[in-house]
Amino acid sequence: DGGITQSPKYLFRKEGQNVTLSCEQNLNHDAMYWYRQDPGQGLRLIYYSQIVNDFQKGDIAEGYSVSREKKESFPLTVTSAQKNPTAFYLCASSKTSGAFNEQYFGPGTRLTVT
Amino acid sequence: KNQVEQSPQSLIILEGKNCTLQCNYTVSPFSNLRWYKQDTGRGPVSLTIMTFSENTKSNGRYTATLDADTKQSSLHITASQLSDSASYICVVSAGREYGNKLVFGAGTILRVKS
Repeated sequence: DGGITQSPKYLFRKEGQNVTLSCEQNLNHDAMYWYRQDPGQGLRLIYYSQIVNDFQKGDIAEGYSVSREKKESFPLTVTSAQKNPTAFYLCASSKTSGAFNEQYFGPGTRLTVT
Repeated sequence: KNQVEQSPQSLIILEGKNCTLQCNYTVSPFSNLRWYKQDTGRGPVSLTIMTFSENTKSNGRYTATLDADTKQSSLHITASQLSDSASYICVVSAGREYGNKLVFGAGTILRVKS
């Protein structure tokens, strides 16, 4: 999992509540990413950030929000507007967002909303 | 539509045997292809990355091949071990015109039995 930490590992919330997932990296990487993984599907990009104070929507950004106030941190908020939030969430980082840059993944947070 | 298809969905083999996992993609333009190993409940870890000019790349007992003409890749695992039990994910980078976006396959779940 390299120098990327995600917390908590498991998270349980009631429907209608917002919840924030933490992602921290000590690799001095500029780019950071949030993915969602569902059974039987490939990872899907939620948001990404190429540099501090800048971020872009991915393919499935609706119902999610992010911030990038520090290089090391890229928290993801799952809002009550996300219709199906239960999933495994993975954070990743890379040196830059260039084509050949390795993406290093964190250990993931499994979110269950009931 | 940019897609990555992997086969088989799952596979069970005996310890010590070899196996080959397949990946077909329709991503265009193509920049590079990666194979990741993901242990259950963990983040993916990179095994190999290949550009269109590379047709074979090895990482220990893992050997990836790429045929950019037919848009196919395979991952061959030699002398399998119990620790090889994991999901293997094929990922294609779509190139700078598409923001170097990664397109993920759904993975092949490999179980190695003793």
